[in-house]
Amino acid sequence: EVQLLESGGGLVQPGGSLRLSCAASGFTFNTYAMTWVRQAPGKGLEWVSTIREGGGNTYYADSVKGRFTISRDDSRSTLYLQMSSLRAEDTAIYYCAQYQRGSSYFFAYWGQGSLVTVSS
Amino acid sequence: DIQLTQSPSFLSASVGDRVTIACRASQDISGHLAWYQEKPGKAPKVVIYSAFTLQSGVPSRFSGSGSGTEFTLTISSLQPEDFATYYCQQLKSYPLTFGGGTKVEIK
Repeated sequence: EVQLLESGGGLVQPGGSLRLSCAASGFTFNTYAMTWVRQAPGKGLEWVSTIREGGGNTYYADSVKGRFTISRDDSRSTLYLQMSSLRAEDTAIYYCAQYQRGSSYFFAYWGQGSLVTVSS
Repeated sequence: DIQLTQSPSFLSASVGDRVTIACRASQDISGHLAWYQEKPGKAPKVVIYSAFTLQSGVPSRFSGSGSGTEFTLTISSLQPEDFATYYCQQLKSYPLTFGGGTKVEIK
């Protein structure tokens, strides 16, 4: 059974930093691209970042580029999102997801999410 | 960037109704479109990928169609567990984008 468990969320002041983790199990982690998606309170889904299998290629939404860094540790089957220079508008539930790529493309499995609140 | 426009944003329907949600892309995305269902307090889950492929375990009353820039998600006979918010997503090119969502509520 595929499981994705996010951690590291919490309350942080504007301008602060936070690192999210996503522990994966139930699949061969190093063969999948992984992604972060967020949802601000009462809003829709927003893609944040993707890292390809192997970690050599990363992609970011313009809203987080230069402030967030996605990475992965295949030896620990763990995905990370390092967030810095946080703003109030970064307040959201952050989901990690397994990105199915190849003959078909979609976010196949999602974690339950980790809440990040940016407030003074 | 590819923009996705969903319509309607809100839909009120009864159990047993046929429901159709539209998603329009600002440029050709071929068939690189997925549909997700989201319920309050739960993570989204994929229902349709590659425009028309039903995800394993999803009831056959769900179907997807379209290609290029026009896509639809259809629920042939709405069930109580289908009341949720639905999002389309394009996976043709980065940045990957979602539509604004369609909330399906009980009439």
